[in-house]
Amino acid sequence: QSALTQPPSASGSPGQSVTISCTGTSSDVGGYNYVSWYQQHPGKAPKLMIYEVSKRPSGVPDRFSGSKSGNTASLTVSGLQAEDEADYYCSSYTGSNSYVLFGDNYVVFGGGTKLTVL
Amino acid sequence: EVHLVESGGGLVKPGGSLRLSCAASGFTFSSYSMNWVRQAPGKGLEWVSSISSSTSYIYYADSVKGRFTISRDTAKNSLYLQLNSLRAEDTAVYYCARDSDTALDYWGQGTLVTVSS
Repeated sequence: QSALTQPPSASGSPGQSVTISCTGTSSDVGGYNYVSWYQQHPGKAPKLMIYEVSKRPSGVPDRFSGSKSGNTASLTVSGLQAEDEADYYCSSYTGSNSYVLFGDNYVVFGGGTKLTVL
Repeated sequence: EVHLVESGGGLVKPGGSLRLSCAASGFTFSSYSMNWVRQAPGKGLEWVSSISSSTSYIYYADSVKGRFTISRDTAKNSLYLQLNSLRAEDTAVYYCARDSDTALDYWGQGTLVTVSS
């Protein structure tokens, strides 16, 4: 069982918007603005898409956006394109690099959401 | 350009050991914390271990604590993961990832570890 809860699947037609949720607790998602989202295509390494809840790394299209409310973070993909079909994972830190609040689990991931572009 | 290349994976029997390496280039390795993340076949991502830039802070997932050891060599720009007492459930692709302190911003291509008799 993953520390963060994501829906196993999501889908949308090209051009539509889809939102993926990620629910944690006050010890991770709700306690820190260190939520990130990763995209993974089959057989490839994960790629950072969103960090610090809503920031995009250079090169990531602005169709990808993130937000957070309480213990739930969300990733929204607008203007869906075929190449957006992939697995998406949320993640949260559980403390700073020099201090972990609960045990040693410094980073936690969600179980992943398979996004299908219809 | 940031580049991370893992190596050292392979087939090992239950109870055996393996040492994974991650060669880093394109950035000042000594300035960043580093992590290992694994992915079992057909499953999601699982964080394994983290080591700070100064090696002062080291963390392990409960599932590997006492069996795996993370280390780094700044002179060689390399990250390591020693895997001991391996179990079938440790079978996975192991990724090294750079830690920006708020996210894992660069990942290697991964190395496959298979634990089977």
